[in-house]
Amino acid sequence: GIQVEQSPPDLILQEGANSTLRCNFSDSVNNLQWFHQNPWGQLINLFYIPSGTKQNGRLSATTVATERYSLLYISSSQTTDSGVYFCFPGGTSYGKLTFGQGTILTVHP
Amino acid sequence: EAGVAQSPRYKIIEKRQSVAFWCNPISGHATLYWYQQILGQGPKLLIQFQNNGVVDDSQLPKDRFSAERLKGVDSTLKIQPAKLEDSAVYLCASSLMGAGASPLHFGNGTRLTVT
Repeated sequence: GIQVEQSPPDLILQEGANSTLRCNFSDSVNNLQWFHQNPWGQLINLFYIPSGTKQNGRLSATTVATERYSLLYISSSQTTDSGVYFCFPGGTSYGKLTFGQGTILTVHP
Repeated sequence: EAGVAQSPRYKIIEKRQSVAFWCNPISGHATLYWYQQILGQGPKLLIQFQNNGVVDDSQLPKDRFSAERLKGVDSTLKIQPAKLEDSAVYLCASSLMGAGASPLHFGNGTRLTVT
């Protein structure tokens, strides 16, 4: 399966700060998804982004498939942004669809 | 649109007992996944169905875990007998297409504690 590396592993912010999370993957992908797992364990799909840039409110994501990475930007962070952010690259065929270890984000008021 | 439904939300059993989890995917979604998430780790794929056929069960401990998706709609995951290391959250997800080719949607999960 595709190997996924996310950085940083942990990030602590004050409310209002901006941040960038990175996801590197080991093989060609057709698409990439970003998820947020909130402190109650719920996994929410933030972006489905095979390439280019998408924006949703304070969040945006960019995938450069040819260079095998994706970035998630969080602007004006809020305490509700706390949780774990996972990237999830999709391959070109069925196989072990692998999640990274995630980035743990803590936003303090 | 209704999301992915899972039940029960919580389950506590003793080791060597059996347990079953149920999942109803989003209507029309052909692909269904069961993931295991141990505390502090990312979700690990246990089994992936395309309609009612298995396309990947390489990480399913088949000596104790089984799963089925009869009629290509809802699915059950069973553990028999359970071990202490099976304590985890079991997540069901569905997507319109497989191979990560369409967005993945997760249920709220079942938190299993084996004592």
